[in-house]
Amino acid sequence: QKEVEQNSGPLSVPEGAIASLNCTYSDRGSQSFFWYRQYSGKSPELIMSIYSNGDKEDGRFTAQLNKASQYVSLLIRDSQPSDSATYLCAALTGANNLFFGTGTRLTVIP
Amino acid sequence: DAGITQSPRHKVTETGTPVTLRCHQTENHRYMYWYRQDPGHGLRLIHYSYGVKDTDKGEVSDGYSVSRSKTEDFLLTLESATSSQTSVYFCATTGDYGYGYTFGSGTRLTVV
Repeated sequence: QKEVEQNSGPLSVPEGAIASLNCTYSDRGSQSFFWYRQYSGKSPELIMSIYSNGDKEDGRFTAQLNKASQYVSLLIRDSQPSDSATYLCAALTGANNLFFGTGTRLTVIP
Repeated sequence: DAGITQSPRHKVTETGTPVTLRCHQTENHRYMYWYRQDPGHGLRLIHYSYGVKDTDKGEVSDGYSVSRSKTEDFLLTLESATSSQTSVYFCATTGDYGYGYTFGSGTRLTVV
């Protein structure tokens, strides 16, 4: 069973702070990892992808991958109220199928 | 979103009736997927397709069937709808192996 685990939250941070979202995965064969943002009542939107160990930065977002620890994280710097959403972590299997965690709900307090 | 259209957007149906959901994409993407999303379970893969007439089962495929007769269309059929199939259904596509998916807007299905 391929599993992706996330803390469901809710996670609350003040505006301007760093939000840290974490994820672990069980399938050591997974090589590609993704973070999606989902606003209430909307579809998931891809915000970050990471394929190699280390950090990947895109604007205010930084994804981190540690394959030895089977750990993926997403940092959101200078958090804004518009970042309030559910963040989904996903791992890609060898069959090109994405397995998702249940999501972490983030609230940014003005 | 990347030319993915799901229809209908909302549907209420009765237990025991057949239901077909449609996903239409204009991106000529090879891979297409059907997920369902439920509170506490997240997104779970129902069926997927890696080409015309090439489909396979996901982790929650019981009670569902799919068909893909054209690159652009991927149909999900509930043969005999049950209340446990009340959910939000998302279609997703990707053009290449190893890349993230793009999701459609979803279909909210209620089985009464």
